[in-house]
Amino acid sequence: DAGITQSPRHKVTETGTPVTLRCHQTENHRYMYWYRQDPGHGLRLIHYSYGVKDTDKGEVSDGYSVSRSKTEDFLLTLESATSSQTSVYFCALSGRAFETQYFGPGTRLLVL
Amino acid sequence: TQLLEQSPQFLSIQEGENLTVYCNSSSVFSSLQWYRQEPGEGPVLLVTVVTGGEVKKLKRLTFQFGDARKDSSLHITAAQPGDTGLYLCAGGAGTASKLTFGTGTRLQVTL
Repeated sequence: DAGITQSPRHKVTETGTPVTLRCHQTENHRYMYWYRQDPGHGLRLIHYSYGVKDTDKGEVSDGYSVSRSKTEDFLLTLESATSSQTSVYFCALSGRAFETQYFGPGTRLLVL
Repeated sequence: TQLLEQSPQFLSIQEGENLTVYCNSSSVFSSLQWYRQEPGEGPVLLVTVVTGGEVKKLKRLTFQFGDARKDSSLHITAAQPGDTGLYLCAGGAGTASKLTFGTGTRLQVTL
């Protein structure tokens, strides 16, 4: 295991409320990623980080923001949650950019 | 936009049978990864192939990267219930390029 945890593991929220998901690693990996997984779409990259305070957008970044103030934590924020953001969110990390990725256990988010 | 299509989407077989899962694209990838995901967990890497025509074996699993590096296959021999899960392929287009994930093949192996 790559020493990666996600919190919360499950969350139910209402449309329009802000939500923050946390990814925490103990492996000191440089690269961290946020994906969402939806039926029929596979895993889609939301944002990724290549170092402290260094982040970039993925293919489905609209409505999401991220922050990485220290190596071990990567936060994903939904500023104003919408029902289309109901999904399972996975954090991943790697030692080199987009090479072998180690995934966390996921956060199941339901936006009502 | 690079797309990876996996087939079949669903596969239900009995223990002991053989199966092949396919991952196809019209784009060339520099590397191809295969992951397995069990319910309620994140994907776990099985193998990475980087050379066209490359074949890798992992116990009962055989992975092949197409000569043109546009497709890959995963063959499981004598499937076991422990092989049950979602199999995902993911292609990389070059050093530090973002991975493109396929939509997955859900495998159910019954006794």
